[in-house]
Amino acid sequence: GQQVMQIPQYQHVQEGEDFTTYCNSSTTLSNIQWYKQRPGGHPVFLIQLVKSGEVKKQKRLTFQFGEAKKNSSLHITATQTTDVGTYFCAGGNYGGSQGNLIFGKGTKLSVKP
Amino acid sequence: SQTIHQWPATLVQPVGSPLSLECTVEGTSNPNLYWYRQAAGRGLQLLFYSVGIGQISSEVPQNLSASRPQDRQFILSSKKLLLSDSGFYLCAWSGGVSISYNEQFFGPGTRLTVL
Repeated sequence: GQQVMQIPQYQHVQEGEDFTTYCNSSTTLSNIQWYKQRPGGHPVFLIQLVKSGEVKKQKRLTFQFGEAKKNSSLHITATQTTDVGTYFCAGGNYGGSQGNLIFGKGTKLSVKP
Repeated sequence: SQTIHQWPATLVQPVGSPLSLECTVEGTSNPNLYWYRQAAGRGLQLLFYSVGIGQISSEVPQNLSASRPQDRQFILSSKKLLLSDSGFYLCAWSGGVSISYNEQFFGPGTRLTVL
C-alpha cells in the first residue's frame, strides 16, 4: 500500500540551530499536512500544502511541497526549546470517494538549551 | 466551538480482559471519525475510520473493533486484550466530505497498558 516515509527519525540540536525533516512518497500526493505532537500530548495540525511547489511560512517554520508533489519538508530556523516534539507529515491521496491520509512515522526533535 | 473528548485518560488492563474506549465530539455534525494507535516512540497507525453512523472501515486486521452508534460517538472495543494492544490510542475527527483535504483534530488520547 501507499507509504509516506519521513526522515530522520530523531534529531538532536542545540538551541539556535536549524532543523529540517523530510517526507517522501512513492506516489503523487493530492496534498500534504503537517502536525506537531508535544511530549505526552496529542498531534496538533500545523498546515496544509496543496499546490505543486508551494511554500508556506509560519514565523520560524517553512513548509515546502515538491514540484512533483511526492515530497515535502519542514524547516525550523533557530530552534527554541518550545519546538521540542514529534513532527508528522501526512500525505493525502486521490483514492476512493473521500481519499485517504497517510501519516509518516514522525521526526522527534529534541533541543538542548 | 468543537471539542473532542476521550476517556479514560489512562487504563491498565490484564491480558484477556475486554476493552471499551469512548470518544465523543461536540459542536459539529456528521464528522469523519478516526481511531489511531501510537506505540511507544512510534508513528500513528490508523485503525478505523467512519464517515457516518454505522459505517466503519478497518485499515489493518487486528484484535480490535469499532462502532459508531451515534453521529458524534465512536467506540473502540476488544473482547480479549493482548499484550501487543498496549499503546496510546487517539481519537480524531475531521469535517467535510474529503478525508484527504480536511485537517484532523485529535483528542487527548488514552494510554493503555496491558499486563
